[in-house]
Amino acid sequence: AQSVTQPDIHITVSEGASLELRCNYSYGATPYLFWYVQSPGQGLQLLLKYFSGDTLVQGIKGFEAEFKRSQSSFNLRKPSVHWSDAAEYFCAVGPRTNDYKLSFGAGTTVTVRA
Amino acid sequence: GAVVSQHPSWVICKSGTSVKIECRSLDFQATTMFWYRQFPKQSLMLMATSNEGSKATYEQGVEKDKFLINHASLTLSTLTVTSAHPEDSSFYICSAREGQGQVEKLFFGSGTQLSVL
Repeated sequence: AQSVTQPDIHITVSEGASLELRCNYSYGATPYLFWYVQSPGQGLQLLLKYFSGDTLVQGIKGFEAEFKRSQSSFNLRKPSVHWSDAAEYFCAVGPRTNDYKLSFGAGTTVTVRA
Repeated sequence: GAVVSQHPSWVICKSGTSVKIECRSLDFQATTMFWYRQFPKQSLMLMATSNEGSKATYEQGVEKDKFLINHASLTLSTLTVTSAHPEDSSFYICSAREGQGQVEKLFFGSGTQLSVL
């Protein structure tokens, strides 16, 4: 069965510092991979996705993620965080079909301190 | 950008009552909508997939008589938690897919926190 693990429940980072959020998955075959962000009172917003090709993908808001097949990981990074990056981040995987039945991790809450 | 409106954001109800949660696509037609629930510190779990005009498809372990899903139009899907009990307290979130396009066309509501007393 597929599963998504986000080992870090909560991360606190200083504004301007770098951020890395971990995501590991267990899946029968290489799935589609996603990162979503949810700000308070908002819906989930797609940050980036990996379907195929270059394993380093660029997303919105200065985020990037790297797919590592050997480690079954898809970690999210940002070189310099802004206070507005404080939010909850979800990693998700989905089958290589068009049904978009996504499996989500439990989320990582990011707090940004001044 | 496309917006999915979910209402209410918070609901508190007494045990045994039913609660309806609405999910609306405001500026696009949603051929498919998904309903998820999330327990504290756990993953979003897919409950069911609903296609406009047809019966919802429920994931294994989800009681279809407990969680009634109606997708009567291309812009509205509702989830009714019938005879709610404290164990139904959870965060429910919907998503809506625009057409048959890429995953960029999958949009999420802001969720509903249900508390059953």
